[in-house]
Amino acid sequence: DSGVTQTPKHLITATGQRVTLRCSPRSGDLSVYWYQQSLDQGLQFLIQYYNGEERAKGNILERFSAQQFPDLHSELNLSSLELGDSALYFCASSERDSYNEQFFGPGTRLTVL
Amino acid sequence: AQTVTQSQPEMSVQEAETVTLSCTYDTSESDYYLFWYKQPPSRQMILVIRQEAYKQQNATENRFSVNFQKAAKSFSLKISDSQLGDAAMYFCAYRSALIGADGLTFGKGTHLIIQP
Repeated sequence: DSGVTQTPKHLITATGQRVTLRCSPRSGDLSVYWYQQSLDQGLQFLIQYYNGEERAKGNILERFSAQQFPDLHSELNLSSLELGDSALYFCASSERDSYNEQFFGPGTRLTVL
Repeated sequence: AQTVTQSQPEMSVQEAETVTLSCTYDTSESDYYLFWYKQPPSRQMILVIRQEAYKQQNATENRFSVNFQKAAKSFSLKISDSQLGDAAMYFCAYRSALIGADGLTFGKGTHLIIQP
């Protein structure tokens, strides 16, 4: 158990819908990262937040957005969902920034039908 | 942009034997971190080992060790005395040491099979 929690574990929805994935980092970790793992794209970095502010942006679509709240939990919002958005979405957290190990949550499996 | 290449989609090894997984990366930076993550069938991402680019000494964690060749941009993982529980996908990952740099850049992964 990494100490990072993600809810829900599984999510099944339809095309065009909007969903929110939630992540709670390890106690004391200030950075939260979101990654997408899909069969065709592999593991891709989406976005990072550090202490409530956006720190780095990767291959995140404009239909996707994220935020980190004062209690440091984070939410990833996916809208206008397409079949290709079906993937495993991981949240990871680290104490501060680049040199710290990232601890991964168990992931949320999103299926878009 | 940095890239990470794992040229072995699948590797197979007998239990108790040694196996080496390959990883090469491309970067113009001099300061960075390299990681090997394990993803068993549960899909949990587990850090196996990490290497700081400024350290010449290769990292070791019990049965896991790396061969870090900075000039060649190579970062291989050696697993000694392979065990059935080592069966998993293994991902090599890169991260710049710059503050504000992107998250981890992963390779495509190597599926490791352990033959009993």
